[in-house]
Amino acid sequence: QAVLTQPASLSASPGASASLTCTLRSGINVGSYRIYWYQQKPGSPPQYLLRYKSDSDKQQGSGVPSRFSGSKDASANAGILFISGLQPEDEADYYCLIWHSGAWVFGGGTKVTVL
Amino acid sequence: EVQLVESGGGLVQPGGSLRLSCAASGFTFSNSIMNWVRQAPGKGPEWVSYISVSGTIFYADSVRGRFTISRDNARNSLYLQMNSLRDEDTAVYYCTTDPPGVDPWGQGTLVTVSS
Repeated sequence: QAVLTQPASLSASPGASASLTCTLRSGINVGSYRIYWYQQKPGSPPQYLLRYKSDSDKQQGSGVPSRFSGSKDASANAGILFISGLQPEDEADYYCLIWHSGAWVFGGGTKVTVL
Repeated sequence: EVQLVESGGGLVQPGGSLRLSCAASGFTFSNSIMNWVRQAPGKGPEWVSYISVSGTIFYADSVRGRFTISRDNARNSLYLQMNSLRDEDTAVYYCTTDPPGVDPWGQGTLVTVSS
């Protein structure tokens, strides 16, 4: 089982909201981790969006709009990237990242389509 | 401003070797943890290796025993010696600060392993 699991795809309409999940493997407690989120568009490296561990330990990337935010769902053992007011330019791949057992681990990514 | 310039990529046969370099500027390299991250065509990013200020090193399981990370603080440079290259090592390789990608990425260097 992968350390981090992300849904392969998500579709939503312009103006809608989207919640992207990053589920940690059973036995790895999401509460203990800072989760980093990145957006990647074709032809460019991933761009840092934000990191979230708790409401008192979070950071927004420089220039990243406030409609991108992070949270956790402890019951699902998952980190969440919430995008409000989806815009066409939000269509991209999104990746989560944690530091676990001496390694940086990326999730497999979620492709967001804005229909 | 953080600037990272990777070089040394190219076409190499399976089983061959390459040495990647990364020239860093715009920050105090000697005080910075550094990483290598790669991205294969059409795939998500994959962390490769980490080197701390004091020389603590970590590798992804996929490259351990074949790749060697090193740094030269006097030259503000990061290196990745890649031996016993495999088809699956084909990717764009990026050097990054830590956590990966929070600072601006370089342009990367393409490594193609093919006969």
